[in-house]
Amino acid sequence: SAVISQKPSRDICQRGTSLTIQCQVDSQVTMMFWYRQQPGQSLTLIATANQGSEATYESGFVIDKFPISRPNLTFSTLTVSNMSPEDSSIYLCSAVVSRSRETQYFGPGTRLLVL
Amino acid sequence: KQEVTQIPAALSVPEGENLVLNCSFTDSAIYNLQWFRQDPGKGLTSLLLIQSSQREQTSGRLNASLDKSSGRSTLYIAASQPGDSATYLCAVPMIKAAGNKLTFGGGTRVLVKP
Repeated sequence: SAVISQKPSRDICQRGTSLTIQCQVDSQVTMMFWYRQQPGQSLTLIATANQGSEATYESGFVIDKFPISRPNLTFSTLTVSNMSPEDSSIYLCSAVVSRSRETQYFGPGTRLLVL
Repeated sequence: KQEVTQIPAALSVPEGENLVLNCSFTDSAIYNLQWFRQDPGKGLTSLLLIQSSQREQTSGRLNASLDKSSGRSTLYIAASQPGDSATYLCAVPMIKAAGNKLTFGGGTRVLVKP
C-alpha cells in the first residue's frame, strides 16, 4: 500500500481568501489526482496533477479557481482561490503508485469550511 | 459517459448478519472496479480492486464479485461487526485505461448495530 498525507487536515476560511492544500506520497507515483467531496455527496474529480506541466482539468473546473502544481513525482498542491461558501467541501488527493498497478490510494482529506 | 449507481443508499443490520452491497455501471467496457471504505469525515481506504478479467476478489471477510456483461459488482461482508459501520463506495475508471480517473457511485452508508 501507500501512505498519503495532506496538510492542513481542516481549515475555516473567510470568503474571498485562498487556501493551498499539500499532498505528499511516500512511494513512487505514476499518477496523482485531486477530488472534491461536497457535503453528503460522493467524490468528483477536479483534475489530474501532471508532473512539471499544467494540470488536466475536468469539465466544470478551471485553473484560475483551482491552480494545481506538481513539482516532483510525489508531491502536489491544490489551491482553492477566491473562496465562497459553495467551496466548503472535503478535498482529497489520490495516487496510483508504481508497485500497486491500478489501485488508487487516497489521502485523509482536507475539510474546508468557508464562512 | 459512465454512470455508477449504488443501491441501497443506506443499510442497517444487526451484528453478525452478512452484508450485500450493490454497484452498477452503465458502460461495461471497464478496465477494473475498485471498492473503498470511508469513515465519517475521513479519506478513503481501498478495500479491493477487481480486474476486468476477474470474476471475484477476496480479502478476509470481504468478497467482491464482478459481472461485466450485466454491469454489476457486489461486495459481500461476512459476519458483520460494529466496526464495519462506514460508507462503502465503488468506482470505475472514466476511460478505458489503467490507473485512470475514477467515476464514483453515490455510496452505501452501512450501520451495524451491536
